Amino acid sequence: EVQLVESGGAVVQPGGSLRLSCAASGFTFDDYSIHWVRQPPGKGLEWVSLIIWDGSSTYYADSVRGRFTISRDNTKNSLYLQMNSLTSEDTALYFCAKDSGYDYLDYWGQGTLVTVSS
Amino acid sequence: DIQMTQSPSTLSASVGDRVTITCRASQSLSSWLAWYQQKPGKAPGLLIYKASTLESGVPSRFSGSGSGTEFTFTISNLQPDDFATYYCQQYKTYPYTFGQGTKLEIK
Repeated sequence: EVQLVESGGAVVQPGGSLRLSCAASGFTFDDYSIHWVRQPPGKGLEWVSLIIWDGSSTYYADSVRGRFTISRDNTKNSLYLQMNSLTSEDTALYFCAKDSGYDYLDYWGQGTLVTVSS
Repeated sequence: DIQMTQSPSTLSASVGDRVTITCRASQSLSSWLAWYQQKPGKAPGLLIYKASTLESGVPSRFSGSGSGTEFTFTISNLQPDDFATYYCQQYKTYPYTFGQGTKLEIK
């Protein structure tokens, strides 16, 4: 069974940093690209970032490029999102999601909540 | 970036009804479009990919159609478990983008 478990969400002050993690199991982690998608409270979904299977290519939404860094450790079946210079607009539930291998997202974690507030 | 316009934003229907949601893209997607269902407090779940292909295990009352810039998602014979929010998402180019969502409510 595919499982994705996010962690690391917290309340952080504006301008602060946070690192999210996503632990994967139930599939061959280093065969697949993995995404981050976020959802502000009561709002819709926003795609954030993607890292391909070997970490050699990454992609970002314009809203986070230059502030967020996606990375992965295939030896630990783990995905990360380093978030810097956080603002209130980054307040959201952050999901990691597995790429199907054909670019759509086929499995999602339950999310971890990031709240940016003073 | 490709803009996705989904309508309606809210839809009221009854058990047994047939409902349709529309998703329009600002440029051609070919068929690189997915539909997801999300229930309150839960992660989204994949229903349809490549515009019309049903994900394994998804009931056949769900269907999708379209190509290019115009897509539709239909639920026939609505069941109580179907009341949720539905999103379209393009995966033709980065950044991937989602529609605004359609909340399907019980009439």
